[in-house]
Amino acid sequence: GENVEQHPSTLSVQEGDSAVIKCTYSDSASNYFPWYKQELGKGPQLIIDIRSNVGEKKDQRIAVTLNKTAKHFSLHITETQPEDSAVYFCAASTGGGADGLTFGKGTHLIIQP
Amino acid sequence: SAVISQKPSRDICQRGTSLTIQCQVDSQVTMMFWYRQQPGQSLTLIATANQGSEATYESGFVIDKFPISRPNLTFSTLTVSNMSPEDSSIYLCSVKGLAGRTDTQYFGPGTRLTVL
Repeated sequence: GENVEQHPSTLSVQEGDSAVIKCTYSDSASNYFPWYKQELGKGPQLIIDIRSNVGEKKDQRIAVTLNKTAKHFSLHITETQPEDSAVYFCAASTGGGADGLTFGKGTHLIIQP
Repeated sequence: SAVISQKPSRDICQRGTSLTIQCQVDSQVTMMFWYRQQPGQSLTLIATANQGSEATYESGFVIDKFPISRPNLTFSTLTVSNMSPEDSSIYLCSVKGLAGRTDTQYFGPGTRLTVL
């Protein structure tokens, strides 16, 4: 089955700086890669996703890049703000049908004021 | 996106008892899933809730321990049976197939279960 590795487990950055979280996956059949943000006491919130026919996607301060050959994808957050502090999870799946998601272990992002 | 609700939001239960968690979506969805998130850990898929038929369980999860129902396109239940302290986790419902997006999964707020 699919295996998703995520690094780092904890990331501390100064407010206003950029943050990058990286994930690798093992199953070449995976073609859908979402990122979720989970705040304390809440369910995961989808923040951005990318499909394997696209190399990069951007939404305001958040961007995701995908390298299918190397089987890795990354989340980039620019101009970080205190409200970006949370746990971020990457995930992978084959996208359609009955397939659930395989998650990475999560990254605790801390924005230092 | 749709509103996904779960009941109860949290519970404290005694060892050996069972708890049924409900998941309600305010619009029809094609797929519903149940995940477990152990304290400080990532999410693990328990099963896919199939409408009108038995759920499809992932390796390591069995129907006797986690019976699931899905009577229609907007509702599902997960029961955690014969609970032990190791079952203390957040249980999350997720849905797929909203607004024509076949691959995007949205999550409910979760049910925080503590077993004493």
